[in-house]
Amino acid sequence: GAVVSQHPSWVICKSGTSVKIECRSLDFQATTMFWYRQFPKQSLMLMATSNEGSKATYEQGVEKDKFLINHASLTLSTLTVTSAHPEDSSFYICSARDAASGDTGELFFGEGSRLTVL
Amino acid sequence: GQNIDQPTEMTATEGAIVQINCTYQTSGFNGLFWYQQHAGEAPTFLSYNVLDGLEEKGRFSSFLSRSKGYSYLLLKELQMKDSASYLCAVTDSNYQLIWGAGTKLIIKP
Repeated sequence: GAVVSQHPSWVICKSGTSVKIECRSLDFQATTMFWYRQFPKQSLMLMATSNEGSKATYEQGVEKDKFLINHASLTLSTLTVTSAHPEDSSFYICSARDAASGDTGELFFGEGSRLTVL
Repeated sequence: GQNIDQPTEMTATEGAIVQINCTYQTSGFNGLFWYQQHAGEAPTFLSYNVLDGLEEKGRFSSFLSRSKGYSYLLLKELQMKDSASYLCAVTDSNYQLIWGAGTKLIIKP
């Protein structure tokens, strides 16, 4: 099946620093990628939809200046958590849909990135 | 508003069968997904239903009734490794994926 690679898997950073998380579709092209945040014992919360070559669409309540998303190519989207604070500590997951499968195709998830802000 | 309901937690015995229900109220419907998520890991795809009826895939089956806004995931011959959260998600008319909160399944020996 299709593979989505997410890096890094774990990151610990100091408060006030910025952290970049990469999401790559390894064997397919993804015009759209999705970024989720998941707190312990809770379901996935969609943060934003990343569109190749255009601005990301953010969900209500998600600060676009804090969570910068770049989708510069059909196989790579990045999420940068700027000026991270302890409350940003969470499990961040990306997913992608094969552009060839349209809008209803299966989502393929990255392995997730666990961010801990000290 | 859009809403997906599934039980918070279920417990079953190894070797048994368990059914996890999901009801949804969304603006339009373009398919329903079931995903499995082990603690600390990303979700993995289990099934996709867009037409009414039962889809069987090994030990797992998924059922859909669009008129009732209802789906279930049936797990047979339960194994300890099936202990996980099971997420129901619906694609609405705008092709947005609406997620349920997930059902934590606990398997006991």
